[in-house]
Amino acid sequence: GEEVAQTPKHLVRGEGQKAKLYCAPIKGHSYVFWYQQVLKNEFKFLISFQNENVFDETGMPKERFSAKCLPNSPCSLEIQATKLEDSAVYFCASSPLRSGDNGYTFGSGTRLTVV
Amino acid sequence: KQEVTQIPAALSVPEGENLVLNCSFTDSAIYNLQWFRQDPGKGLTSLLLIQSSQREQTSGRLNASLDKSSGRSTLYIAASQPGDSATYLCAVNSDRGSTLGRLYFGRGTQLTVWP
Repeated sequence: GEEVAQTPKHLVRGEGQKAKLYCAPIKGHSYVFWYQQVLKNEFKFLISFQNENVFDETGMPKERFSAKCLPNSPCSLEIQATKLEDSAVYFCASSPLRSGDNGYTFGSGTRLTVV
Repeated sequence: KQEVTQIPAALSVPEGENLVLNCSFTDSAIYNLQWFRQDPGKGLTSLLLIQSSQREQTSGRLNASLDKSSGRSTLYIAASQPGDSATYLCAVNSDRGSTLGRLYFGRGTQLTVWP
Protein backbone atom coordinates (compact mmCIF):
# COMPACT_ATOMS: atom_id res chain seq x y z
CA GLY A 1 0.00 0.00 0.00
CA GLU A 2 0.95 3.64 -0.27
CA GLU A 3 0.70 4.45 3.39
CA VAL A 4 2.73 3.74 6.48
CA ALA A 5 0.50 1.75 8.80
CA GLN A 6 0.99 2.14 12.54
CA THR A 7 -0.80 0.06 15.15
CA PRO A 8 -2.34 0.45 17.59
CA LYS A 9 -3.61 4.02 17.31
CA HIS A 10 -3.89 4.33 21.07
CA LEU A 11 -2.19 2.41 23.87
CA VAL A 12 -2.63 2.82 27.60
CA ARG A 13 -0.18 1.22 30.00
CA GLY A 14 0.30 1.33 33.72
CA GLU A 15 3.68 2.55 34.88
CA GLY A 16 6.15 -0.34 34.75
CA GLN A 17 4.27 -2.28 32.09
CA LYS A 18 5.61 -3.13 28.65
CA ALA A 19 4.44 -1.37 25.49
CA LYS A 20 4.91 -2.58 21.94
CA LEU A 21 4.21 -0.47 18.87
CA TYR A 22 4.16 -1.60 15.25
CA CYS A 23 4.90 0.01 11.92
CA ALA A 24 4.42 -1.40 8.43
CA PRO A 25 6.44 0.71 5.98
CA ILE A 26 5.44 1.26 2.39
CA LYS A 27 6.42 -1.68 0.19
CA GLY A 28 9.71 -1.03 -1.50
CA HIS A 29 10.86 1.47 1.13
CA SER A 30 14.13 0.24 2.60
CA TYR A 31 14.44 2.89 5.31
CA VAL A 32 12.39 3.18 8.46
CA PHE A 33 12.61 5.92 11.06
CA TRP A 34 11.02 6.26 14.51
CA TYR A 35 10.28 9.61 16.17
CA GLN A 36 8.78 10.50 19.50
CA GLN A 37 6.57 13.58 19.75
CA VAL A 38 6.42 14.75 23.33
CA LEU A 39 4.51 17.79 24.58
CA LYS A 40 3.33 19.82 21.66
CA ASN A 41 5.31 19.55 18.44
CA GLU A 42 8.62 18.57 19.96
CA PHE A 43 9.87 15.73 17.77
CA LYS A 44 12.74 13.59 18.93
CA PHE A 45 14.55 11.13 16.64
CA LEU A 46 14.85 7.64 18.12
CA ILE A 47 16.26 5.14 15.65
CA SER A 48 16.53 4.33 11.94
CA PHE A 49 16.85 1.13 9.93
CA GLN A 50 17.94 0.08 6.49
CA ASN A 51 15.91 -3.06 5.97
CA GLU A 52 16.59 -5.11 9.12
CA ASN A 53 19.83 -3.30 9.99
CA VAL A 54 20.07 -0.44 12.43
CA PHE A 55 22.08 2.44 11.00
CA ASP A 56 21.46 5.18 13.56
CA GLU A 57 20.33 4.47 17.10
CA THR A 58 21.87 7.43 18.83
CA GLY A 59 18.46 8.78 19.82
CA MET A 60 17.35 5.67 21.68
CA PRO A 61 17.25 5.48 25.49
CA LYS A 62 18.77 2.02 25.38
CA GLU A 63 18.00 0.95 28.92
CA ARG A 64 14.31 0.47 28.23
CA PHE A 65 13.76 0.99 24.49
CA SER A 66 14.43 -1.51 21.75
CA ALA A 67 13.38 -1.77 18.11
CA LYS A 68 13.47 -4.32 15.32
CA CYS A 69 12.70 -4.56 11.64
CA LEU A 70 12.57 -8.21 10.59
CA PRO A 71 11.94 -9.52 7.07
CA ASN A 72 8.28 -10.01 6.19
CA SER A 73 7.10 -8.51 9.48
CA PRO A 74 6.08 -5.04 10.64
CA CYS A 75 8.81 -3.11 12.39
CA SER A 76 8.37 -2.81 16.15
CA LEU A 77 9.33 -0.44 18.93
CA GLU A 78 9.21 -1.88 22.43
CA ILE A 79 9.40 -0.06 25.72
CA GLN A 80 10.11 -2.14 28.80
CA ALA A 81 8.97 -0.85 32.18
CA THR A 82 7.23 2.25 30.90
CA LYS A 83 7.51 5.53 32.78
CA LEU A 84 5.14 8.49 32.88
CA GLU A 85 7.59 10.49 30.75
CA ASP A 86 7.22 7.95 27.92
CA SER A 87 3.71 9.29 27.28
CA ALA A 88 3.91 10.67 23.76
CA VAL A 89 2.89 10.06 20.18
CA TYR A 90 5.31 7.73 18.41
CA PHE A 91 5.62 8.23 14.66
CA CYS A 92 7.14 5.94 12.10
CA ALA A 93 8.30 7.12 8.68
CA SER A 94 9.61 5.25 5.66
CA SER A 95 11.55 6.23 2.59
CA PRO A 96 13.09 4.54 -0.44
CA LEU A 97 16.24 6.60 0.07
CA ARG A 98 18.14 7.40 3.25
CA SER A 99 18.53 10.99 2.12
CA GLY A 100 14.80 11.41 1.70
CA ASP A 101 15.22 12.83 -1.79
CA ASN A 102 11.78 11.50 -2.59
CA GLY A 103 10.48 12.60 0.79
CA TYR A 104 9.61 10.73 3.95
CA THR A 105 6.14 9.26 4.40
CA PHE A 106 4.88 9.33 7.96
CA GLY A 107 2.29 7.13 9.59
CA SER A 108 -0.52 8.57 11.68
CA GLY A 109 1.21 7.65 14.91
CA THR A 110 0.56 5.65 18.07
CA ARG A 111 -0.49 7.65 21.13
CA LEU A 112 0.99 6.03 24.24
CA THR A 113 -0.40 7.08 27.57
CA VAL A 114 1.35 5.83 30.69
CA VAL A 115 -0.76 6.12 33.84
CA LYS B 1 23.83 19.85 17.36
CA GLN B 2 21.31 21.11 14.81
CA GLU B 3 18.61 23.36 16.26
CA VAL B 4 15.57 24.42 14.26
CA THR B 5 13.43 27.40 15.24
CA GLN B 6 10.10 28.40 13.78
CA ILE B 7 8.52 31.83 14.02
CA PRO B 8 5.77 32.67 14.77
CA ALA B 9 4.61 29.91 17.11
CA ALA B 10 1.00 30.71 16.28
CA LEU B 11 -0.78 32.74 13.65
CA SER B 12 -4.47 33.61 13.31
CA VAL B 13 -5.60 35.37 10.14
CA PRO B 14 -8.73 36.01 8.13
CA GLU B 15 -9.31 34.09 4.94
CA GLY B 16 -7.57 35.44 1.84
CA GLU B 17 -4.38 36.73 3.42
CA ASN B 18 -0.94 35.88 2.11
CA LEU B 19 1.17 34.34 4.85
CA VAL B 20 4.83 33.97 5.69
CA LEU B 21 6.10 31.24 8.01
CA ASN B 22 9.74 31.32 9.01
CA CYS B 23 12.22 28.57 9.83
CA SER B 24 15.86 28.97 10.88
CA PHE B 25 18.53 26.35 11.55
CA THR B 26 21.91 26.59 13.22
CA ASP B 27 24.02 24.15 11.16
CA SER B 28 24.17 24.92 7.43
CA ALA B 29 25.42 21.40 6.62
CA ILE B 30 22.00 20.21 5.52
CA TYR B 31 21.08 17.73 2.80
CA ASN B 32 17.54 18.93 2.30
CA LEU B 33 14.72 20.69 4.10
CA GLN B 34 11.08 19.67 4.22
CA TRP B 35 7.92 21.46 5.18
CA PHE B 36 5.17 19.33 6.67
CA ARG B 37 1.62 19.91 7.70
CA GLN B 38 0.14 18.22 10.78
CA ASP B 39 -3.59 18.14 11.44
CA PRO B 40 -4.80 17.38 14.99
CA GLY B 41 -4.53 13.69 15.77
CA LYS B 42 -3.02 12.94 12.39
CA GLY B 43 0.38 12.17 10.98
CA LEU B 44 2.58 14.45 8.94
CA THR B 45 1.82 15.35 5.34
CA SER B 46 4.80 16.40 3.28
CA LEU B 47 4.20 19.72 1.52
CA LEU B 48 7.49 20.68 -0.10
CA LEU B 49 11.04 19.37 -0.16
CA ILE B 50 13.96 21.60 -1.08
CA GLN B 51 17.38 20.16 -1.83
CA SER B 52 20.35 22.03 -0.37
CA SER B 53 21.36 23.13 -3.88
CA GLN B 54 17.95 24.62 -4.63
CA ARG B 55 16.61 28.04 -3.79
CA GLU B 56 12.90 27.40 -3.90
CA GLN B 57 10.09 24.97 -4.59
CA THR B 58 6.48 25.65 -5.48
CA SER B 59 3.31 23.60 -5.23
CA GLY B 60 0.02 25.30 -5.91
CA ARG B 61 -0.45 28.13 -3.43
CA LEU B 62 2.65 27.14 -1.51
CA ASN B 63 6.16 28.37 -2.13
CA ALA B 64 9.17 27.51 -0.02
CA SER B 65 12.52 29.25 -0.25
CA LEU B 66 15.87 28.21 1.15
CA ASP B 67 18.91 30.31 2.00
CA LYS B 68 21.32 27.66 3.19
CA SER B 69 24.22 29.96 3.98
CA SER B 70 22.14 32.07 6.34
CA GLY B 71 20.28 29.07 7.74
CA ARG B 72 16.79 30.16 6.78
CA SER B 73 13.73 28.89 4.98
CA THR B 74 10.41 30.57 4.41
CA LEU B 75 7.05 29.07 3.55
CA TYR B 76 4.69 31.37 1.70
CA ILE B 77 1.00 30.55 1.59
CA ALA B 78 -0.98 32.58 -0.92
CA ALA B 79 -4.66 33.41 -0.55
CA SER B 80 -5.10 31.45 2.68
CA GLN B 81 -8.23 29.35 3.22
CA PRO B 82 -9.86 27.88 6.35
CA GLY B 83 -8.74 24.46 5.14
CA ASP B 84 -5.13 25.59 5.56
CA SER B 85 -5.61 25.62 9.34
CA ALA B 86 -3.06 23.18 10.77
CA THR B 87 0.39 23.09 12.32
CA TYR B 88 3.22 23.62 9.87
CA LEU B 89 6.53 21.98 10.66
CA CYS B 90 9.95 22.62 9.22
CA ALA B 91 12.41 19.71 9.27
CA VAL B 92 16.06 19.72 8.31
CA ASN B 93 17.90 16.64 7.09
CA SER B 94 21.45 16.51 8.38
CA ASP B 95 24.35 16.16 5.94
CA ARG B 96 26.73 15.00 8.65
CA GLY B 97 27.66 11.53 7.38
CA SER B 98 26.25 8.99 9.81
CA THR B 99 23.31 11.18 10.79
CA LEU B 100 22.05 11.59 7.21
CA GLY B 101 18.39 10.72 7.24
CA ARG B 102 17.74 12.05 10.71
CA LEU B 103 15.27 14.92 10.61
CA TYR B 104 15.57 17.82 13.04
CA PHE B 105 12.18 19.43 13.56
CA GLY B 106 11.13 22.88 14.62
CA ARG B 107 8.28 23.21 17.10
CA GLY B 108 5.92 24.34 14.37
CA THR B 109 3.66 27.25 13.56
CA GLN B 110 0.03 26.71 14.49
CA LEU B 111 -2.05 28.40 11.80
CA THR B 112 -5.72 29.29 12.11
CA VAL B 113 -7.50 30.79 9.12
CA TRP B 114 -10.98 32.03 9.90
CA PRO B 115 -13.75 32.66 7.36
